[in-house]
Amino acid sequence: DTGVSQDPRHKITKRGQNVTFRCDPISEHNRLYWYRQTLGQGPEFLTYFQNEAQLEKSRLLSDRFSAERPKGSFSTLEIQRTEQGDSAMYLCASSSPQGNFFGYTFGSGTRLTVV
Amino acid sequence: KQEVTQIPAALSVPEGENLVLNCSFTDSAIYNLQWFRQDPGKGLTSLLLIQSSQREQTSGRLNASLDKSSGRSTLYIAASQPGDSATYLCAPWLGGNNRLAFGKGNQVVVIP
Repeated sequence: DTGVSQDPRHKITKRGQNVTFRCDPISEHNRLYWYRQTLGQGPEFLTYFQNEAQLEKSRLLSDRFSAERPKGSFSTLEIQRTEQGDSAMYLCASSSPQGNFFGYTFGSGTRLTVV
Repeated sequence: KQEVTQIPAALSVPEGENLVLNCSFTDSAIYNLQWFRQDPGKGLTSLLLIQSSQREQTSGRLNASLDKSSGRSTLYIAASQPGDSATYLCAPWLGGNNRLAFGKGNQVVVIP
């Protein structure tokens, strides 16, 4: 297992278009998290899955955002009708069933630029 | 809600100097605290995980201390190198279904 994988690494899209990002967690990790990070800020929590169940969503996750984790494996984050304010780095992380007892592992992120 | 503050926000040091990065958090009932490194435009790389029962954790030139009762952690980097230039983020964890909370990081530049 090579860690947490995110695809694509970079995405440039026109305002109003829909985009979808994918995250493949470490295989034995049942917890998966999405964070968003803008320039000069720390990562901000978006949403959290335990297996296939989405257990928590931040108020940052507007109605234009949706996340899924079918079958408790990979996860997708979709942004509909993108806005320039959505430009950010989207980070995915996973952790073991014990939560963060053994630490989170982050992927390399997907950088979104909305033009 | 856990609030995390990291001081200094940015620092530049000449190569060879020791680095001291400070992290404070408002809710001291943490299970552990994780330090990450982030290079520009990249994801987060875990450096050290220090459990609440530990006072410090070491890996190579890195040493993290934890004073849980006062809500503080410090990351020491000995004999800094230009390759240490990055942003360092601390993230305390409250346990259970809580997720990691982050500060804005310490942005470090090591000058050759």
